[in-house]
Amino acid sequence: AQTVTQSQPEMSVQEAETVTLSCTYDTSENNYYLFWYKQPPSRQMILVIRQEAYKQQNATENRFSVNFQKAAKSFSLKISDSQLGDTAMYFCAQQTGANNLFFGTGTRLTVIP
Amino acid sequence: EAGVAQSPRYKIIEKRQSVAFWCNPISGHATLYWYQQILGQGPKLLIQFQNNGVVDDSQLPKDRFSAERLKGVDSTLKIQPAKLEDSAVYLCASSETGYGEKLFFGSGTQLSVL
Repeated sequence: AQTVTQSQPEMSVQEAETVTLSCTYDTSENNYYLFWYKQPPSRQMILVIRQEAYKQQNATENRFSVNFQKAAKSFSLKISDSQLGDTAMYFCAQQTGANNLFFGTGTRLTVIP
Repeated sequence: EAGVAQSPRYKIIEKRQSVAFWCNPISGHATLYWYQQILGQGPKLLIQFQNNGVVDDSQLPKDRFSAERLKGVDSTLKIQPAKLEDSAVYLCASSETGYGEKLFFGSGTQLSVL
């Protein structure tokens, strides 16, 4: 069964600092995809970053990067130079093939000015 | 590029009433999803369409929830009769093929059942 665990319900970071959000998952498949989505108060989920499990290189998107540890089934998100606009809920998600995109419970991130 | 459109944005009903939500995905997207997001939780898939066929509806409470995707484009999700525990945000999303791709989400419908 698919599970995605986010153990940090809430986190905060000073503006311009770096923060890391944790995510672990469980799957018996070898090929799958991992995602981090951001959900601001507007409720619209926005893709932050995507990782293909068969690629060893960690994905990066500007200030966002991941630390993908396949053997440990860990997929953490690092946000560098945090900005006020980064304040939001962050959801880790996993998808196998064309199946359901399975979400974790989320981490509420607050960037403090 | 136009995004995923959902309506209404908010809906308040009493228990045992019926309600319907509408979603218009991004043009050309074959896969459409309906998610239920209860306060404090991550989104949970209710139903996934590929064109106008159902791929996964294993978590859809079929005694009260129904969904259709007419001509493989727009979709409606209906609840009849509603229960208190149906209070949630209902998110619609679409993607080109559904295979490991970015999902584009609408802004959701916040349903309150009193």
